[in-house]
Amino acid sequence: QQQVKQSPQSLIVQKGGISIINCAYENTAFDYFPWYQQFPGKGPALLIAIRPDVSEKKEGRFTISFNKSAKQFSLHIMDSQPGDSATYFCAASRGGGATNKLIFGTGTLLAVQP
Amino acid sequence: KAGVTQTPRYLIKTRGQQVTLSCSPISGHRSVSWYQQTPGQGLQFLFEYFSETQRNKGNFPGRFSGRQFSNSRSEMNVSTLELGDSALYLCASKAQPTTDTQYFGPGTRLTVL
Repeated sequence: QQQVKQSPQSLIVQKGGISIINCAYENTAFDYFPWYQQFPGKGPALLIAIRPDVSEKKEGRFTISFNKSAKQFSLHIMDSQPGDSATYFCAASRGGGATNKLIFGTGTLLAVQP
Repeated sequence: KAGVTQTPRYLIKTRGQQVTLSCSPISGHRSVSWYQQTPGQGLQFLFEYFSETQRNKGNFPGRFSGRQFSNSRSEMNVSTLELGDSALYLCASKAQPTTDTQYFGPGTRLTVL
């Protein structure tokens, strides 16, 4: 019940294309779903996050789509750029102060080709 | 505002030794968490601290321990190191336990030989 499943493991996209990464969770107590971006040699950096009371959240070229009934959420990167090449992690937690504990997906290595 | 800082950045130890890693949260942040990142297991939660108290602990053996000081700085200790402890250890801070966003430091790369 604590797992967050992420796919695909790796993704190659052409510059200007759309990158889509999917995650699924089991624990219905999760109420906070962030996406992190990690470059080699760096710690993860928060990209965008969503709570289950909305179905979509957009920040610049990054959009989270959330399907509460299916227990799935996805990250869409529009107009992908070579600088977006990194590893992306979805995560889930019981927010609102219940815990800091983030359950992470296994990561997606994104390569954007020029 | 400076980010989360972790020291040392790289560390090489041998099996059986112990190690202490340090984390300074963002100024004003009082909540600190630790994660272990390995290629095989990914990012796994170790423990979290607030006001010098451990609030939550992940599924790691007792060889892994931590503490938080009154200035919110935190340390984690691993005793009797094993080869499998080789990993990137990440510290994350946030302002309060009730806020959402955790900010990660660059990590300490521990290699156990």
